[in-house]
Order: sequence, then C-alpha cells, then structure tokens
Amino acid sequence: DAGVIQSPRHEVTEMGQEVTLRCKPISGHNSLFWYRQTMMRGLELLIYFNNNVPIDDSGMPEDRFSAKMPNASFSTLKIQPSEPRDSAVYFCASTRDSRSYEQYFGPGTRLTVT
Amino acid sequence: DAKTTQPTSMDCAEGRAANLPCNHSTISGNEYVYWYRQIHSQGPQYIIHGLKNNETNEMASLIITEDRKSSTLILPHATLRDTAVYYCIVRVSSSGSARQLTFGSGTQLTVLP
Repeated sequence: DAGVIQSPRHEVTEMGQEVTLRCKPISGHNSLFWYRQTMMRGLELLIYFNNNVPIDDSGMPEDRFSAKMPNASFSTLKIQPSEPRDSAVYFCASTRDSRSYEQYFGPGTRLTVT
Repeated sequence: DAKTTQPTSMDCAEGRAANLPCNHSTISGNEYVYWYRQIHSQGPQYIIHGLKNNETNEMASLIITEDRKSSTLILPHATLRDTAVYYCIVRVSSSGSARQLTFGSGTQLTVLP
C-alpha cells in the first residue's frame, strides 16, 4: 500500500496567488481529513469528508480556503488568494472507518507564501 | 473529551525501554486512549489505542491503569528512529459527526546513542 499521497511536497508562491494542494487517500478508506500545522498553533483540523461529502468545515480559517473531494480517491485544498500567514505544513489523512480515530497521515505539503 | 497531561520531554538510552506516561484523570467510561507520534518533518503516525485492557502491537504496548486515569506507552527497545514527539489523545469512539484528533503539546522523546 502506497499510503496517503500528497502533492506537491513543497510549494513556494507569492502573496495573492492561488495555491492548490492535492491528496490521494489510502484505497478503501472512506474518511479524509485536512490539517494544518504551524509552530504557533500546532496541528489544526481544517475540514473532513466522509464518503466524499464534507462533514465539518468549521476549522477552515476563512473564505479564501476551499476543499473538494470529487471522488473517493482524490481531494484538493485550495487557497485563493494566498497570504503569508497561510505558510504552514498541510497534512492530509484518511481512515477506513468513519468512527475510527486510527488516521493515516500523508507526508505533508510545506507551503511558503512570500 | 477528557484532557491529557504529558511530560514535555524525556530521554531514553538506545536499546532500553521507553516508558511514556499520560494522565487523563477526567476520562469517561466510553473514551478511548490513542497514541500517535510525529517524527521531525513527517506526518503524525498512529501507534496504538485502547479502552481498558492493555494492548500490544508490533510497535508498542499500552498499559492503562485499572481506574483508567492514566496510561503508559512502552517502546520495548527504543532505537534512534523512535526520536519523535509522542501524543496521547482521548476520544469517544463515536461522538456525532466530529472525528478530529486534537493534538496537544505531546512529549518529545529523544533516544540517545
């Protein structure tokens, strides 16, 4: 099993640009999570999907952030327009059972907005 | 969800057992104890979880006290690659639609050669 796959691994962009982060969950997993990690705030949940449907997006910081899951094997997190304070490591995680907290994390995307 | 308390940091000699404590004195009867770790520059990694019985898998053992107010994660033969931040998380198995893991500060375990 390849595990959770995220791309790109590193992204450097200028303020105001659109950024799209991608995630492929583990095959057969039906829940997908997007987290953000910074030194100041630690690991924060942004949004999670169950069976491709967004369930809880209360962690999405503002309207500049949006997430989609068009099918069971792909999800995107988009930031438009990006700002320097969005600089962080963004993790995607998936789990087999929506009742389980046994989540499997991807390697993360390190985003730097200048 | 119950709060957890962990030491900020611990050291362990390579090859020895690493015992990481976690206090969760307000835990409820239906809350599980989960352990994750995060190696530097990697995503968090699930280790083990339990409700009341002790659990063991290929990575670690989890010892939960009889009153369930505390637990200990044991890495039986620590290696340098076990150096990481270890998180103890308490969650109800099915709590409505919320499935997020709340990571606290964790314990920075440093395995020394």
